[in-house]
Amino acid sequence: DTEVTQTPKHLVMGMTNKKSLKCEQHMGHRAMYWYKQKAKKPPELMFVYSYEKLSINESVPSRFSPECPNSSLLNLHLHALQPEDSALYLCASSQEGGIDTQYFGPGTRLTVL
Amino acid sequence: GNSVTQMEGPVTLSEEAFLTINCTYTATGYPSLFWYVQYPGEGLQLLLKATKADDKGSNKGFEATYRKETTSFHLEKGSVQVSDSAVYFCALNPQTGANNLFFGTGTRLTVIP
Repeated sequence: DTEVTQTPKHLVMGMTNKKSLKCEQHMGHRAMYWYKQKAKKPPELMFVYSYEKLSINESVPSRFSPECPNSSLLNLHLHALQPEDSALYLCASSQEGGIDTQYFGPGTRLTVL
Repeated sequence: GNSVTQMEGPVTLSEEAFLTINCTYTATGYPSLFWYVQYPGEGLQLLLKATKADDKGSNKGFEATYRKETTSFHLEKGSVQVSDSAVYFCALNPQTGANNLFFGTGTRLTVIP
């Protein structure tokens, strides 16, 4: 089973709202990732967690705050977002870091009004 | 540095036509190479991969061969179906420690009956 689940599927929020995206995997993977994908563009890496510790932050604005409460869960907390943050947010996981294949979830489509 | 170049889309083919989507790469090490597919409104699915030179990845009738001498990983399918309509992303993992995926810009394929 190579399933990564993400909730919610769609999210609409105002610029003053606080919301969270959730990602879950039960494959025993120890690395998890957040990507942002704008329309008609490839995914861009935002964060990498390895063994529940943040290992890569690709200069993402502080209005995005990741959290890895345990090895199966990855959250992305959103606060004071801008309309240009509207995108598809993808979660992925891999066995560990390094060269392991990344498996992606279906994504959360975020619209910021 | 690390980068992936894909052929410009969109590509429109009739059902049962032969498909080639070109992908070339630049990498600092000995990368693993991947093809991911994204169906409308969904996340990315791993289609196939190859981890070393001359490896051939295959899945669902799609194939790609890792060619080190031409730094290429072209995707092919002998007979496309309407259900193959999607965006295809070529990606590389440079295998330098951090599990970064470098994506091409994606190629949109439309198959018409």
